[in-house]
Amino acid sequence: GDSVTQMEGPVTLSEEAFLTINCTYTATGYPSLFWYVQYPGEGLQLLLKATKADDKGSNKGFEATYRKETTSFHLEKGSVQVSDSAVYFCALSEMAAGNKLTFGGGTRVLVKP
Amino acid sequence: EAGVAQSPRYKIIEKRQSVAFWCNPISGHATLYWYQQILGQGPKLLIQFQNNGVVDDSQLPKDRFSAERLKGVDSTLKIQPAKLEDSAVYLCASSIRQGIIETQYFGPGTRLLVL
Repeated sequence: GDSVTQMEGPVTLSEEAFLTINCTYTATGYPSLFWYVQYPGEGLQLLLKATKADDKGSNKGFEATYRKETTSFHLEKGSVQVSDSAVYFCALSEMAAGNKLTFGGGTRVLVKP
Repeated sequence: EAGVAQSPRYKIIEKRQSVAFWCNPISGHATLYWYQQILGQGPKLLIQFQNNGVVDDSQLPKDRFSAERLKGVDSTLKIQPAKLEDSAVYLCASSIRQGIIETQYFGPGTRLLVL
């Protein structure tokens, strides 16, 4: 079945540092890929998405590129802020599976001033 | 545009009691999902509705969990009787197709603690 693996946290960074969160996936078909962010006490917010190979999703300074050859969708941000402290989830969906989301375990990011 | 609404936000019950959660999806979204998120893990799908029909309930523990979506809009998820391991955040999401991609939008969740 489908699965998503992302790096374990917590990841602790200083403000303005570069952030990378690795995400790899296993899928039977050709999935759509997503990054969701969860701030403390809140639900999940869609951060960015990509639907096909070499697509780059971007939002709020975050970027991720759909790499079919390496089955990866790594999340990056060039200069993090304290407000980026949250848990980040990588996820995939496939039309053949009813578009349900399969999530990774989440990566907690803590940005210190 | 209003987002996905859920209530209550928090619930504490004792084991073997029953509990119900409510979800109101974004207007016009035909598909509705319930996910269970155990602390420190990613959400896992419990049940998926398309309008008022069930698309996927393969991961729903049907001996204790039930869900319905009345008139293809609001949905309720019930647990009866609750077990300690049901302590989790229950997330409701609704989705809409935009081009070739189906994008899900999540509510704030209901945090359940079973004592």
